[in-house]
Amino acid sequence: SQTIHQWPATLVQPVGSPLSLECTVEGTSNPNLYWYRQAAGRGLQLLFYSVGIGQISSEVPQNLSASRPQDRQFILSSKKLLLSDSGFYLCAWSVWQGGRQPQHFGDGTRLSIL
Amino acid sequence: RKEVEQDPGPFNVPEGATVAFNCTYSNSASQSFFWYRQDCRKEPKLLMSVYSSGNEDGRFTAQLNRASQYISLLIRDSKLSDSATYLCVVSNFGNEKLTFGTGTRLTIIP
Repeated sequence: SQTIHQWPATLVQPVGSPLSLECTVEGTSNPNLYWYRQAAGRGLQLLFYSVGIGQISSEVPQNLSASRPQDRQFILSSKKLLLSDSGFYLCAWSVWQGGRQPQHFGDGTRLSIL
Repeated sequence: RKEVEQDPGPFNVPEGATVAFNCTYSNSASQSFFWYRQDCRKEPKLLMSVYSSGNEDGRFTAQLNRASQYISLLIRDSKLSDSATYLCVVSNFGNEKLTFGTGTRLTIIP
């Protein structure tokens, strides 16, 4: 069966520090991969998605970036965090099928910027 | 107009009652529909897909009305463990993204 791992679970970072969040998927090949952010009490905001190695689509212009160095690895990064980057970051995967398949989420990373 | 709209609630419902949520979507070309539930401070989890003919999974029934562009979720014999936020999700053919509603908050009262 497929599993998705996301770490760390919780992170506290100072403003201006770098960020790297990692997500890996097991048990499937060539998945679609997604990064979302959810601010407290708000809905999900799609940040990036990827349909293959090295293919990244950005949804929201900001100081975050994403990379997919391997088929089942998706990384979210920032060179300098802002206070507004606080939130609940979720990685998700789906089977590639033209968007007709549901997405499955990792446990999430709760990021607090001080 | 938002692509997916839901009544944010909260819905406070006594245990054992039946509760229903609706969700409207704006794109008539939308192809796939899902309901997710999200517990407080947790990740969203797929509750059920919504099929054109309607479908049932235990106490949960989902229906799709393409003419009026809405989907619904019915929960019968509600349990305390049903307390959560329910997210309506829509996708369009050829689009690798899902569009999530902002959710309807449900609290089951003992």
